Amino acid sequence: GQQLNQSPQSMFIQEGEDVSMNCTSSSIFNTWLWYKQDPGEGPVLLIALYKAGELTSNGRLTAQFGITRKDSFLNISASIPSDVGIYFCAGHSGTNFGNEKLTFGTGTRLTIIP
Amino acid sequence: DTEVTQTPKHLVMGMTNKKSLKCEQHMGHRAMYWYKQKAKKPPELMFVYSYEKLSINESVPSRFSPECPNSSLLNLHLHALQPEDSALYLCASSPQTRNTIYFGEGSWLTVV
Repeated sequence: GQQLNQSPQSMFIQEGEDVSMNCTSSSIFNTWLWYKQDPGEGPVLLIALYKAGELTSNGRLTAQFGITRKDSFLNISASIPSDVGIYFCAGHSGTNFGNEKLTFGTGTRLTIIP
Repeated sequence: DTEVTQTPKHLVMGMTNKKSLKCEQHMGHRAMYWYKQKAKKPPELMFVYSYEKLSINESVPSRFSPECPNSSLLNLHLHALQPEDSALYLCASSPQTRNTIYFGEGSWLTVV
């Protein structure tokens, strides 16, 4: 099925560094969601965005809904070991989640180098 | 409370077995989903139930049979699966009032 372009595919950083990742689409979305998934677990919702230009924070995480509605960004400040995992963006173009699909990005795998 | 509970956590089944995966949420969400996820890939939508009616079926093989007995429960009945069906199966739900989807912890399925 359709997937969003998410980059980078993987990141190797040192503890304390800041992280940035983004998703881009050829289609307009009305909702952007960011998830983190640990090995063997389900995705956990980090941030939800609903309006173009919206900037939302959740602790050390900040995400933005792009002005064009075709992209979104996630930043993590001062990374810590528990930030390790796979981050997925997801976009929704409709108004009713029950009748239309959520489109997922390909994921960004974050690894912290000792 | 954003809890979606899935059982079992792990399931090993033979290709001739019949088994079921179960999902439960008590948040009053009226949309529930089944996703399949292979290693290092994003979740792939299988089925969506909206107000207990099947609203989306992503051309899933008939060896997977979903069921929504009531607004809190979602089952996925499995029969005559293939080894390539081995994956993490995720249940999710979303509220009517806000466009978000909350996932359960998943059920790891291995078909031998």
